[in-house]
Amino acid sequence: KAGVTQTPRYLIKTRGQQVTLSCSPISGHRSVSWYQQTPGQGLQFLFEYFSETQRNKGNFPGRFSGRQFSNSRSEMNVSTLELGDSALYLCASSSWRVGETQYFGPGTRLLVL
Amino acid sequence: AQSVTQLGSHVSVSEGALVLLRCNYSSSVPPYLFWYVQYPNQGLQLLLKYTTGATLVKGINGFEAEFKKSETSFHLTKPSAHMSDAAEYFCAVSDAGNMLTFGGGTRLMVKP
Repeated sequence: KAGVTQTPRYLIKTRGQQVTLSCSPISGHRSVSWYQQTPGQGLQFLFEYFSETQRNKGNFPGRFSGRQFSNSRSEMNVSTLELGDSALYLCASSSWRVGETQYFGPGTRLLVL
Repeated sequence: AQSVTQLGSHVSVSEGALVLLRCNYSSSVPPYLFWYVQYPNQGLQLLLKYTTGATLVKGINGFEAEFKKSETSFHLTKPSAHMSDAAEYFCAVSDAGNMLTFGGGTRLMVKP
């Protein structure tokens, strides 16, 4: 089975721009979660989507948004980028069951200049 | 709210020595517990997980962890470190949802 894929792998943007990151889950997985990883804050949960609906949300400003398509692929969008948004953004997929293992993609490294 | 504490942001061991990475959690409900490993420029790879049942959990690459409810701990061990074990290790907990709360991570260094 193919793993979780994320595109692009690397991205450079400037402050004020917006960015869209994409995640394709493992085939058959319907839950997709997004995490932000930074040296200062560590790994933080952004949101989870299941069956095209946001099921859980972390403590991030409204500039961070996401969506999920009918094929379970997910995108996250960050508007009005700030320097502090520079991070590794990780996507994870799992089955619908609570407590199931989340399988992570390689991440998208975003640098905001 | 859940929280996870990993004692020691950096741990250094000699090749062949015991690896012990500490994790304590707080959760108001019986948790699901995970250990993930991250190699440079990669995502997270699952080492092992505890859901219910046996408190000693065996994972990949010779790692294991013991769930101790009374101590709210889930420490990761490996009897003999290998150079390839050098990486960052994350303990995580989830409860009724699929949201993972991670510890701050422990960077394991293995000396030859």
